[in-house]
Amino acid sequence: GAGVSQTPSNKVTEKGKYVELRCDPISGHTALYWYRQSLGQGPEFLIYFQGTGAADDSGLPNDRFFAVRPEGSVSTLKIQRTERGDSAVYLCASSLGRRGGENIQYFGAGTRLSVL
Amino acid sequence: AQSVTQPDIHITVSEGASLELRCNYSYGATPYLFWYVQSPGQGLQLLLKYFSGDTLVQGIKGFEAEFKRSQSSFNLRKPSVHWSDAAEYFCAVGAAGGGNKLTFGTGTQLKVEL
Repeated sequence: GAGVSQTPSNKVTEKGKYVELRCDPISGHTALYWYRQSLGQGPEFLIYFQGTGAADDSGLPNDRFFAVRPEGSVSTLKIQRTERGDSAVYLCASSLGRRGGENIQYFGAGTRLSVL
Repeated sequence: AQSVTQPDIHITVSEGASLELRCNYSYGATPYLFWYVQSPGQGLQLLLKYFSGDTLVQGIKGFEAEFKRSQSSFNLRKPSVHWSDAAEYFCAVGAAGGGNKLTFGTGTQLKVEL
């Protein structure tokens, strides 16, 4: 597809369960970002990949959150032992990853996670 | 640390009226600035961006924004609002380094009265 694709669009889980959220970036984009948007708030940065490596994971709230991008394309955000406070929309974005820094991030529609 | 303030949580305007959404940022160097729009159930769509150069930038859908360094502001404007502009608008600041991770404001919800 032409844009950033996120699956599933909605995920309902029970407290304590494990979830995986997937992001398929725009073809050719080397940089990939995860953000979390809680109700009534702006998106908050979680983690940024350049290629396969996590270049900045300073936004991950705790060690229950983990993300991978093994082949430098698709990324998976993994949340262990989910808590009700994890309920939010998880947004993924990708960009060309230019070294000069003038990168435009293109966002997917997000995954709405509800933890019951 | 960088931060963004959008002082107006909700704004209501009549269709055809002009619009200005306020954005103030805090950043130690020259920022990269963005405005995104989000419709219900949709992802964020980029309206416009400022990296450098001309401080008045034009975007899609007839929007424009002006970077004012002295006021640390990047307000979004549109001369005549259309009903389809009703949405939530987010201002964001990005660092020149660090992969340009974005810091967003809390958003302004725009309602358009017919």
